[in-house]
Amino acid sequence: GAVVSQHPSRVICKSGTSVKIECRSLDFQATTMFWYRQFPKQSLMLMATSNEGSKATYEQGVEKDKFLINHASLTLSTLTVTSAHPEDSSFYICSATPDPANYGYTFGSGTRLTVV
Amino acid sequence: GQQVMQIPQYQHVQEGEDFTTYCNSSTTLSNIQWYKQRPGGHPVFLIQLVKSGEVKKQKRLTFQFGEAKKNSSLHITATQTTDVGTYFCAGGGTGNQFYFGTGTSLTVIP
Repeated sequence: GAVVSQHPSRVICKSGTSVKIECRSLDFQATTMFWYRQFPKQSLMLMATSNEGSKATYEQGVEKDKFLINHASLTLSTLTVTSAHPEDSSFYICSATPDPANYGYTFGSGTRLTVV
Repeated sequence: GQQVMQIPQYQHVQEGEDFTTYCNSSTTLSNIQWYKQRPGGHPVFLIQLVKSGEVKKQKRLTFQFGEAKKNSSLHITATQTTDVGTYFCAGGGTGNQFYFGTGTSLTVIP
């Protein structure tokens, strides 16, 4: 159980365009999902907490208008990278859990974004 | 967010040797989780520690949570090549967020 699906796994886009990444909980409902960013050989940096039916909570230093998060249902959160630039190229990964008190977080397989 | 540091950053061991990674937080943690990430993969949950001084074992892996709940360790006995990967601790904050440590990359030499 506790499967999280993330799409696409890889995307290449041109500078100035927007890219949407989807994160779905397949066998449980997730009122909260988390979005991370990971640079090569580095740790995961928490970007924001996605809250179903309300605004996302962004970590300090993360641009809200740049990284739009929508959590419209209990099984889907989306991250849209707007007006992408080469420095936005990174590995984006989401996570969720059916029960934070008793289970760890399940991660999606991640999205490798390359902005050219 | 919280500052969670891990040492060492890299560790090369001969197969069969033991390995330990240490996790230190600048603040008291509500709980701590450990994850393993293989090259090219995503983090996979290993364990969660909640109580001060807690020790948990999973086969050759031993996890400890410090008495002050500001540090933790993961010890692997008799490493195998399948243990290769990066091990992250993640400290619990408020609102169920987890802040990942800097990670320790383990290489096991056959």
